[in-house]
Amino acid sequence: AAGVIQSPRHLIKEKRETATLKCYPIPRHDTVYWYQQGPGQDPQFLISFYEKMQSDKGSIPDRFSAQQFSDYHSELNMSSLELGDSALYFCASSLDGTSGSRGYNEQFFGPGTRLTVL
Amino acid sequence: AQKVTQAQTEISVVEKEDVTLDCVYETRDTTYYLFWYKQPPSGELVFLIRRNSFDEQNEISGRYSWNFQKSTSSFNFTITASQVVDSAVYFCALSEIETSGSRLTFGEGTQLTVNP
Repeated sequence: AAGVIQSPRHLIKEKRETATLKCYPIPRHDTVYWYQQGPGQDPQFLISFYEKMQSDKGSIPDRFSAQQFSDYHSELNMSSLELGDSALYFCASSLDGTSGSRGYNEQFFGPGTRLTVL
Repeated sequence: AQKVTQAQTEISVVEKEDVTLDCVYETRDTTYYLFWYKQPPSGELVFLIRRNSFDEQNEISGRYSWNFQKSTSSFNFTITASQVVDSAVYFCALSEIETSGSRLTFGEGTQLTVNP
């Protein structure tokens, strides 16, 4: 079965550079989530999109922006990179995961993109 | 306040021992979901189980079992007859459907090391 695809898998950048991470959800999934996991830490929710609209926002820095495109893939853009941005970035996708009244729709995680900022 | 607490930062056992990983959560929602994920050294997040707030039945899957107790806000995970391949970081997570939608809030994780 197709899984969530993230690219690149590894990325090395210098301070103050920009980075773009890409996420390709499971086919027919309409919701994408981004999480950031710093070294030795738990994953922290950044932002999510449902049907190309931002559906929820967590602890995402103002230097970061994200969007979901018409083909449902998503990109996380990170500018003015700092050393503290070094982390594992996970993307997850689900099918219609926005309504509690309809129950929970499982998030399927991608393998992550490991970003190193030097 | 920490919504998901995994008090055990690290646990080390010898192969074939049973081990229980504790998870205590905090929420005011009546509808919520609890999860366990495994993160091996390779880094991916592996889904283990999901339990909703209305289903307190314990579950067993092979060597894994889960004990959900709403009265103590706990969702503990037991590995029976542990194996070296069980060595990983285990995360408990919460989804508060009413207040936070589907976002997952993770605990800080428990590093389990199973020694041969």
